[in-house]
Amino acid sequence: QVQLVQSGAEVKKPGASVKVSCKASGYTFTSYYMHWVRQAPGQGLEWMGIINPSGGSTSYAQKFQGRVTMTRDTSTSTVYMELSSLRSEDTAVYYCARTLNYESAFDIWGQGTMVTVSS
Amino acid sequence: NFMLTQPHSVSESPGKTVTISCTRSSGSIASNYVQWYQQRPGSAPTTVIYEDNQRPSGVPDRFSGSIDSSSNSASLTISGLKTEDEADYYCQSYDSSNHWVFGGGTKLTVL
Repeated sequence: QVQLVQSGAEVKKPGASVKVSCKASGYTFTSYYMHWVRQAPGQGLEWMGIINPSGGSTSYAQKFQGRVTMTRDTSTSTVYMELSSLRSEDTAVYYCARTLNYESAFDIWGQGTMVTVSS
Repeated sequence: NFMLTQPHSVSESPGKTVTISCTRSSGSIASNYVQWYQQRPGSAPTTVIYEDNQRPSGVPDRFSGSIDSSSNSASLTISGLKTEDEADYYCQSYDSSNHWVFGGGTKLTVL
């Protein structure tokens, strides 16, 4: 079945970086865009950026420009999201989610990865 | 860039009908499709409405979506409320400057 499986929870210190993975299965990896969306505790959903698994092109929300890097490995159907210079406000659940095109819905979501930033 | 504004919370009794609004701050609501997601505690969101008013397979027809150009808003309507509908609901749309926007979310309480 179609699924996105993310890496496990992380605990990081302020100033460190975190890299979260999202492995796709059950569909043609390069046929769908992949996004990263985060949700701080008790807060709403926040879009972070998008990667086109076909060519690797990316677009990031202005808030994360310079701190986030999204990459992909087509040989393993995996996308990665690395966030640097972590601060306590980055404590959140990070989701990967796919879309068929720019206007379509996020139809499949990963299970989420909890990232805790604490000294 | 635009924002999508939702009420923080709504509540209604089982069997009744509730409508959740999503107002676009600039540009026409009709310019880009609106999606609606349901999120239960501890779970990832799931789509209940896509492309303004389409229901994915498996979503009950008690869920419906619409847009209103006069108020520049989208609405999610849930009829015949059930306790299992209690969740957070988010609207979402694409901003043509290569950004995706979520509303702040609405907590639905079925009491």
